[in-house]
Amino acid sequence: GENVEQHPSTLSVQEGDSAVIKCTYSDSASNYFPWYKQELGKRPQLIIDIRSNVGEKKDQRIAVTLNKTAKHFSLHITETQPEDSAVYFCAARPGGSYIPTFGRGTSLIVHP
Amino acid sequence: DGGITQSPKYLFRKEGQNVTLSCEQNLNHDAMYWYRQDPGQGLRLIYYSQIVNDFQKGDIAEGYSVSREKKESFPLTVTSAQKNPTAFYLCASITSPQGTEAFFGQGTRLTVV
Repeated sequence: GENVEQHPSTLSVQEGDSAVIKCTYSDSASNYFPWYKQELGKRPQLIIDIRSNVGEKKDQRIAVTLNKTAKHFSLHITETQPEDSAVYFCAARPGGSYIPTFGRGTSLIVHP
Repeated sequence: DGGITQSPKYLFRKEGQNVTLSCEQNLNHDAMYWYRQDPGQGLRLIYYSQIVNDFQKGDIAEGYSVSREKKESFPLTVTSAQKNPTAFYLCASITSPQGTEAFFGQGTRLTVV
């Protein structure tokens, strides 16, 4: 089955800095890579996703990059704000499968 | 918040008791899942169901049971066989293999007292 590794487990930055979270996956059949944000005590919510036919996708301050050859993908947050503080999960899902496999999560702390 | 609803939000269980966590969705999604969330462990898959009356074990199914009698509902029973049930439980659904976003419920925090 798919295995997703996520690093770092904790990331502390100053407001206005950039933050990068990295994930690797093992199953070359994976073709969909979502990122979820979970604020304290709340449900995870999708913030951005990328499919395997695309190398990069941006949405305002958030971007995701994908390197299929190396089987890794990354989340980039620019100009971080305190409200970006949350746990971020990456996931990978093979084509034709209902089942996303999640990374262990990164706790992002943005200091004002 | 519409879409997928979990209840209760907080649940306390005595040692040796079975408890059932509710998950209902009105999104007409085919697939539903149960995840367990522990600090530093991420989201671990307990059970999943792709169609009514069918479900499959995930990575940590021992001590849990589910049913899928209706498309809208996927309850999870935490049995007395689950040795460490205290955790945050999340239910999710996805429309299809070609679908994208997994929609999560608000979660149920189960505590054994």
